[in-house]
Amino acid sequence: GAGVSQTPSNKVTEKGKYVELRCDPISGHTALYWYRQSLGQGPEFLIYFQGTGAADDSGLPNDRFFAVRPEGSVSTLKIQRTERGDSAVYLCASSLGQGAYEQYFGPGTRLTVT
Amino acid sequence: KNEVEQSPQNLTAQEGEFITINCSYSVGISALHWLQQHPGGGIVSLFMLSSGKKKHGRLIATINIQEKHSSLHITASHPRDSAVYICAVILKANTGNQFYFGTGTSLTVIP
Repeated sequence: GAGVSQTPSNKVTEKGKYVELRCDPISGHTALYWYRQSLGQGPEFLIYFQGTGAADDSGLPNDRFFAVRPEGSVSTLKIQRTERGDSAVYLCASSLGQGAYEQYFGPGTRLTVT
Repeated sequence: KNEVEQSPQNLTAQEGEFITINCSYSVGISALHWLQQHPGGGIVSLFMLSSGKKKHGRLIATINIQEKHSSLHITASHPRDSAVYICAVILKANTGNQFYFGTGTSLTVIP
């Protein structure tokens, strides 16, 4: 079956621009997670959704970052006024439920801010 | 202070060797994940543990809740096992679940 997909796979943008990153979770997975991975580092938690609501957004670094999941399926991570420090691979994962469920990761979106 | 510590950071082994990667965490958890990431590739979940031991093929994962420690073992290692192995925990917190990752162990298996 289809796994978690993310689009675009690569995104290059200029400093100050707005970007949207999309995640399509596995069908039927109610929990969706966003992570960010900088070069040579482990992933860093950003936000997770249970259904349509953000259950925990404590990992979002500042108010330039926002994520939505309006119908409880596809999610979009939005970054306003991008900065060079936002350059990273943005990973999405989904699971059947929150907490102690196995997470399935997408291939990531590599964001480069020039 | 990092809530999740992995060791070693880098590991080189000869094909066929038995490999152990360790993960220690500082607070109570609801689950621990072992993840595999190949260079330039995505992340694959190998195990999700909340107690005891799990085995899948040549991979074994154990967790000791009292000692706040988990290990990932690879038996009869093979060059295709070369990857970064990441330990991730879901911590219990008053505000809900919190997710923390180790920085990973980079494994190279030489033929």
